[in-house]
Amino acid sequence: QQQVKQSPQSLIVQKGGISIINCAYENTAFDYFPWYQQFPGKGPALLIAIRPDVSEKKEGRFTISFNKSAKQFSLHIMDSQPGDSATYFCAASGFGGGADGLTFGKGTHLIIQP
Amino acid sequence: EAGVTQSPTHLIKTRGQQATLRCSPISGHTSVYWYQQALGLGLQFLLWYDEGEERNRGNFPPRFSGRQFPNYSSELNVNALELEDSALYLCASSSTGSDQPQHFGDGTRLSIL
Repeated sequence: QQQVKQSPQSLIVQKGGISIINCAYENTAFDYFPWYQQFPGKGPALLIAIRPDVSEKKEGRFTISFNKSAKQFSLHIMDSQPGDSATYFCAASGFGGGADGLTFGKGTHLIIQP
Repeated sequence: EAGVTQSPTHLIKTRGQQATLRCSPISGHTSVYWYQQALGLGLQFLLWYDEGEERNRGNFPPRFSGRQFPNYSSELNVNALELEDSALYLCASSSTGSDQPQHFGDGTRLSIL
């Protein structure tokens, strides 16, 4: 059973545009929602994370929006750059990333066209 | 500060053999997690070790096992290898406490012939 659904599977955005990736979860016990960025041949790198007590968190050009009632969260990349081209994964866990591991979405392959 | 390091980078085995993968966590981190990243299946949680003990495991058969050493490094052992075990195996570490973020290494690519 896929507990975190991520969309779209792939995304092409022009340089300077906004990239938006969406995730939905089913397990109401999830209370920690990180986003990871993965380049080819590398492991996932933690980008930004949010907990359900806030609706939005911003770090530089990256923003997470969180809707607890809809059980959805999204990543916005403002002023997208070619260097942002990578695969992005949303994830969730029930105890802040510890006890039961992270449940990942299937990933979004993002291409930023110059 | 050194990140999570994994060895070997690549490992080629044949069906029925055993594979051992190694992970060194970030200095000061006591928790180590193992994940499998297989084509089409995404990242799946395998095992969690903390303070030398296995704390939790994902939905994988018992032939996937491991251990954590006193210096907090960890080994993942896969017995009776099957073709479907071909994947990137990722290790992550975190500080003590269940609410700490996980930081990943670059993985071991395991290929089963």
